[in-house]
This record gives sequence, structure tokens and C-alpha cells, in this order.
Amino acid sequence: GESVGLHLPTLSVQEGDNSIINCAYSNSASDYFIWYKQESGKGPQFIIDIRSNMDKRQGQRVTVLLNKTVKHLSLQIAATQPGDSAVYFCAENIGGGSNYKLTFGKGTLLTVNP
Amino acid sequence: DVKVTQSSRYLVKRTGEKVFLECVQDMDHENMFWYRQDPGLGLRLIYFSYDVKMKEKGDIPEGYSVSREKKERFSLILESASTNQTSMYLCASSYRPSTDTQYFGPGTRLTVL
Repeated sequence: GESVGLHLPTLSVQEGDNSIINCAYSNSASDYFIWYKQESGKGPQFIIDIRSNMDKRQGQRVTVLLNKTVKHLSLQIAATQPGDSAVYFCAENIGGGSNYKLTFGKGTLLTVNP
Repeated sequence: DVKVTQSSRYLVKRTGEKVFLECVQDMDHENMFWYRQDPGLGLRLIYFSYDVKMKEKGDIPEGYSVSREKKERFSLILESASTNQTSMYLCASSYRPSTDTQYFGPGTRLTVL
């Protein structure tokens, strides 16, 4: 079985600061990416997505950056608030044909200190 | 807004029991998914369905089966629950195949004693 550490990577920030959460994806053929937020005891909640023909996409207080050269995805949260405290994880999809599946990262725990 | 609901937030069952987890979505999505989530292992796909009465195995289908009799409902069945099936179970749905967002339900925390 897998022996990945039980402890998630963590990021601790002060309220009002900007947060950057990173994700390395595995498949250069992936063409669609999503960021999810999961609060304790709840299901994952969609935040923002980006397709591989884009480098950057902005939402409300969030920005996703995609660097296909190094297979790296980041989520930037502006003016982080206590309500942003959660686990954030990325997902990738190879796309094409009948591939319905997403591959999920393990997640990063964001803690916002008041 | 997409709404995905799961029949129970918490369940406690005994080893050997047959367990049904129900999921309903109200957005006419073709695709539905069942995952389990465990600390350190992330989300792992158990089964998915891309149409009524259609199903495909995910990455960890052993010990589970599914049923999709209606488009809006996707059931996960543990034929004989075991302690290693104690987990958080998450249902999701999406509209288009391939590149489309999956929307999740609130999850069912299952404990098998």
C-alpha cells in the first residue's frame, strides 16, 4: 500500500496576506485543471478551473496560474481571510475521448491566523 | 447551483452488513462518481457511471458495487462491510465527459465496527 505521509503540506498565513498554494501535476497530456477547497467535515468545493490553452485565469480573490513547461499549477488567494482556512487540492484530467476521470493531488492545508 | 446530496452524513455499521450509500444530483448530469477519501491517500475513485445502467471500475473497486437505475441517482453498495472500508465516501457528478468540473456532495462518514 501507499506510504505517503499522513501529514499534509501546510501553509500558515496572516489574515490579509496573499497565499500561494502550489501543485505539480504528472501528465504532460493533461488539458484541464481544477482547484478545490475542502473544509473540515465537508465535501470538496469547486473554486476555479483552467484549460491548457490558458496560462492564467482569475476569479473573485483567486487566480490560477498554469506553467505547462514545468507541469506546475498554482492557486493565489488575495487578502486571505479566516474563512479561507481549509485543505486545497488540485485535479487534472487528460481529456479526450471517453476519459471521464480526474486525478487528484493530496492537498495543502491552509491555516489563516487572525 | 449544482446540488449533490448524499443520504447520510454519518453511518455506523457492523462487519458483514450490507451497506447502501445513496447519491442524488439535480442538474441532469450524465456522469456520476464514487470516491473514498482517507488521510494521506487523497481521493481514490471506486466506480463511475457515464449513463444510466452504465458503470466502470475506478482504481479501487474491490469490495464495492454500484447501481444507476435513474440518471439522477447513483448508489454505492458494500456487499459485506469490513473494517478497512471505514472511510469518508464522496459522490460527485459532472455534465460533459472528459473536461468538465466534478461537483461533490457533502460526504458520508462510514464507520465499520
